[in-house]
Amino acid sequence: GQQVMQIPQYQHVQEGEDFTTYCNSSTTLSNIQWYKQRPGGHPVFLIQLVKSGEVKKQKRLTFQFGEAKKNSSLHITATQTTDVGTYFCAVKTSYDKVIFGPGTSLSVIP
Amino acid sequence: GAGVSQSPRYKVAKRGQDVALRCDPISGHVSLFWYQQALGQGPEFLTYFQNEAQLDKSGLPSDRFFAERPEGSVSTLKIQRTQQEDSAVYLCASSDGSEYEQYFGPGTRLTVT
Repeated sequence: GQQVMQIPQYQHVQEGEDFTTYCNSSTTLSNIQWYKQRPGGHPVFLIQLVKSGEVKKQKRLTFQFGEAKKNSSLHITATQTTDVGTYFCAVKTSYDKVIFGPGTSLSVIP
Repeated sequence: GAGVSQSPRYKVAKRGQDVALRCDPISGHVSLFWYQQALGQGPEFLTYFQNEAQLDKSGLPSDRFFAERPEGSVSTLKIQRTQQEDSAVYLCASSDGSEYEQYFGPGTRLTVT
């Protein structure tokens, strides 16, 4: 079946450093969503990418959808302590089932 | 309006007991999802409703798990004869449609002793 992988599993950065997480699918995707989950919280929607090669920005966050629509990345510029949490990508299968990746847990050292 | 709510927020059950977890989605949202999230893992899909129709239940781990949404709004996830491996956070999410962003509830943390 469809598999979604994310790397790295964990990332520890000094405040002010950049951070990138990657999401890879075994199959071509119709779209991809990114969510953030703070410790003890629930996933919160960040963005959805639909088009091949699409790039979207939200302040310090940059999201990219690969040309082949099989991978995506989330890049955070100049991390802050408020960026701490786990970042998940999520993909929809052809039957409306949604698969979340295992997540990348970000720690920011002040 | 209000977001997605779930009750109870915490549930402790003895092994073998039945439990029922409730989800109140955002009013008007046609799609409703249930997920199971183990500690340190991503949400694992359990089942999906479009209005009252359960379109996908392929993620339900066993026939002890049952979900319903009889009137297309509130949903209940029932687990019969709970086992220790059922201990997890159960998340509910709703959306305008399966292609759109999901709004998650706070989850129900189930502990089976």
